[in-house]
Amino acid sequence: DSGVTQTPKHLITATGQRVTLRCSPRSGDLSVYWYQQSLDQGLQFLIQYYNGEERAKGNILERFSAQQFPDLHSELNLSSLELGDSALYFCASSVDSNTEAFFGQGTRLTVV
Amino acid sequence: AQSVTQPDIHITVSEGASLELRCNYSYGATPYLFWYVQSPGQGLQLLLKYFSGDTLVQGIKGFEAEFKRSQSSFNLRKPSVHWSDAAEYFCAVVPFGGSYIPTFGRGTSLIVHP
Repeated sequence: DSGVTQTPKHLITATGQRVTLRCSPRSGDLSVYWYQQSLDQGLQFLIQYYNGEERAKGNILERFSAQQFPDLHSELNLSSLELGDSALYFCASSVDSNTEAFFGQGTRLTVV
Repeated sequence: AQSVTQPDIHITVSEGASLELRCNYSYGATPYLFWYVQSPGQGLQLLLKYFSGDTLVQGIKGFEAEFKRSQSSFNLRKPSVHWSDAAEYFCAVVPFGGSYIPTFGRGTSLIVHP
């Protein structure tokens, strides 16, 4: 157990819908990362938050957004969902910007 | 362009045999280097990391990796593979300085024959 908790584990939704994925980082970790894992793209970095502020952006679509709350948990919002958004979404956390990241179990999103 | 490459998509070994998974990177300066393992349906677990110092690093589950600056490589090794090692292995790099964003290779799927 990495200490990073993601909910839900599985999510099935229809195209055009909006979903929210939740991540609770390890106790004491200030940095949260979101990744998308798909068969054709591999592990793609989406976005990073550090202590409530956005720190870096990767290949995140405009339909996707995220935030980190004062208690340091983070949410990834995916809207106007398309079939191609079906993937495993991982959250990771680290103490700061100079240590290794620990990953949650992921949320498997299926868009039908 | 900065990149991390795992040349082998699949590797098949017999149980008890030795293993080496390759990872090459292309960065201006030596990055931080990591190996993660992902079992089916699971998240990524950190096996080992290299920040600086001794170029041979030991990790969990009997794995080790050697950093070779001249070859820009960070290959993962295990002397004797167990059936439970069957999983997906990812090499990751973090550029030294700047944004600390782990970038992952495409992964190598390890298949272990009994």
